[in-house]
Amino acid sequence: DTGVSQDPRHKITKRGQNVTFRCDPISEHNRLYWYRQTLGQGPEFLTYFQNEAQLEKSRLLSDRFSAERPKGSFSTLEIQRTEQGDSAMYLCASGGSWNQPQHFGDGTRLSIL
Amino acid sequence: GIQVEQSPPDLILQEGANSTLRCNFSDSVNNLQWFHQNPWGQLINLFYIPSGTKQNGRLSATTVATERYSLLYISSSQTTDSGVYFCAVERENSNYQLIWGAGTKLIIKP
Repeated sequence: DTGVSQDPRHKITKRGQNVTFRCDPISEHNRLYWYRQTLGQGPEFLTYFQNEAQLEKSRLLSDRFSAERPKGSFSTLEIQRTEQGDSAMYLCASGGSWNQPQHFGDGTRLSIL
Repeated sequence: GIQVEQSPPDLILQEGANSTLRCNFSDSVNNLQWFHQNPWGQLINLFYIPSGTKQNGRLSATTVATERYSLLYISSSQTTDSGVYFCAVERENSNYQLIWGAGTKLIIKP
């Protein structure tokens, strides 16, 4: 069990640029989640995958956001035309069967200049 | 939607003190997790506790699902316990997404 891995750890970019983050879940986990956390707040749910199927998306996920999980393994979260308000920590979590906890990666901290 | 409230919002203690953190939730939940977010932003699983009591070293947790609350106990606090403690619940009839409280910020002074 190597844990949930996220890349990069930090991303600084100019407003208007596109960014992509990667998450590698724990290998046997079929559930994968993306959350966003802003300073001083708890994380907020963005989207959920069961294997390769994206089953739920939050209203927080605007049209500029897209997530994929090809082949049900790693996942990517892309933000197009970044805005100042996108600055946050983006967290990925994975889980096994329904009665098991979610395990979180160390997150990708995005800063928009 | 379901509401998750944590108290107190902030707590400052001397090393060696004991503390109790509370999490109230407004509706029935499938499960509940406690996390510690350290100063580097890492979220560490502490307990996965839908009901009952669990202990892990100096930490223990109790969830009373019928009364919709959970408590996290920290005994003999150490400076490394500093950080933010989050409670998160899984809504019933959901894809097990977590709904989070605002956290309790704990500072342990040496």
